[in-house]
Amino acid sequence: SQQGEEDPQALSIQEGENATMNCSYKTSINNLQWYRQNSGRGLVHLILIRSNEREKHSGRLRVTLDTSKKSSSLLITASRAADTASYFCATDTRSGNTGKLIFGQGTTLQVKP
Amino acid sequence: DVKVTQSSRYLVKRTGEKVFLECVQDMDHENMFWYRQDPGLGLRLIYFSYDVKMKEKGDIPEGYSVSREKKERFSLILESASTNQTSMYLCASSWTLKSNEQFFGPGTRLTVL
Repeated sequence: SQQGEEDPQALSIQEGENATMNCSYKTSINNLQWYRQNSGRGLVHLILIRSNEREKHSGRLRVTLDTSKKSSSLLITASRAADTASYFCATDTRSGNTGKLIFGQGTTLQVKP
Repeated sequence: DVKVTQSSRYLVKRTGEKVFLECVQDMDHENMFWYRQDPGLGLRLIYFSYDVKMKEKGDIPEGYSVSREKKERFSLILESASTNQTSMYLCASSWTLKSNEQFFGPGTRLTVL
């Protein structure tokens, strides 16, 4: 079963606007990660936030984590047409040392020029 | 840069054929993973391996097997391909002791006729 659930499933915005995507999960985590996937390609890691962190920044990306609500959000500021992609959250649920992650179903972001 | 390569970008096979999908990583990662990705279902873990010759079933192992004879190579085998195995197959790898960020290959789009 999928641990992470992204919301919304699809998002369409104009270039320059901010895009916010949310992820909820069910069990305790070591960390939560966000990935990006361009159409027909593999996933690319964007950012990782550990369970003891509340906020993290990387360039135009800002990730927050609320472990009490079991939720995370990814904010992309000043979006560009090149940000058009699907975005996935993935959780490390402390299942031993296998490195296994559980991926959500993703949010499809379209940024219109 | 970490590189994960997959043997084919596109593959067309016939029902009943034995299919081999190969994945190679060049960063000495302990963990390797095979996912399939279908519209509306996100990424689903088929099998993973945390060491040479070690393997564990993921969420949907039925109809698949894997082989990891060398650390850098992880093969996914469809013993007798069926049309419901038409999908995008993604391979990934990660370290165990560092953050378990996964590095993905470009994907293989398999069509079974």
